Amino acid sequence: QVHLVESGGGVVQPGTSLRLSCAASGFIFSNYAMHWVRQAPGRGLEWVAIISYDGSEKYCADTVKGRFTVSRDNGKNTLYLQMTGLRLEDTAVYYCATDGASWGQGTLVTVSS
Amino acid sequence: DVVMTQSPLPLPVTLGQPASISCRSSQSLVHTDGNTYLSWFHQRPGQSPRRLIYEVSKRDSGVPDRFSGSGSGTDFTLKISRVEAEDVGVYYCMQGTHWPLFTFGQGTKLEIK
Repeated sequence: QVHLVESGGGVVQPGTSLRLSCAASGFIFSNYAMHWVRQAPGRGLEWVAIISYDGSEKYCADTVKGRFTVSRDNGKNTLYLQMTGLRLEDTAVYYCATDGASWGQGTLVTVSS
Repeated sequence: DVVMTQSPLPLPVTLGQPASISCRSSQSLVHTDGNTYLSWFHQRPGQSPRRLIYEVSKRDSGVPDRFSGSGSGTDFTLKISRVEAEDVGVYYCMQGTHWPLFTFGQGTKLEIK
C-alpha cells in the first residue's frame, strides 16, 4: 500500500528558508514522477512542482520559480522541497503526491512575522 | 498557461439526487500521444485530496460507480448519479496534458440541501 509522509513544516519568518521532506513506501519510488501541491488556508489546490522519476527533470510553478527547488533521493525513497525567500503567501499545507493517485497527509508551513 | 474553469462553484444537492460539475480548459487537453490527461479529485474537510477519475473517464480503484467522468477537448463533466452524504466536500478538476505545468480548477463545493 502506498504511503507518503510529509515532514518539515513549521512557523517561519518572511525571507527565511525551510526544507520539506516526503518519505515514500509501499511502491517502487524510483519508477514514479512526484509532485508537490499546496493549499493555502481556506483556498483551493495549487500545483507547485514536479520531478521526474530519476530527478533529471524538475519544474516549478511560476509563483515559486527561482525560490523553491524540488529534489529526490531514490536511495532513501524521499522527496524534498527546498523553499527559500519565503513569503506570507507561501503559507499553506504542502502535500506530496504520486501521479495523483496517492497523496500524503500534508505538512503545514506558516510564514509569519 | 492553461486555465481550468469549474462551474458551479457552490453546488447544493438533495440526497439521492444527481449532481454534475463542469470543467472547461483554455486549451485542448488532447496530448500528442492521443490521450487526454484530465483528472477529478474529491477533498473532504480536513482530509487530503483523493483522485476519483483519471484520463477523463477512468475510475480509480474503490471509487463507487455512481461517479462518472466524460468529455473531450476542452469540456469535461463529473457526474454523480445519486448523491450520498459522504460525497460532501470540494471537487477539483486537474489537467496534466500540458506537462510539466499542471493546473487545478478553482474547486466546486458540494453540500447537502
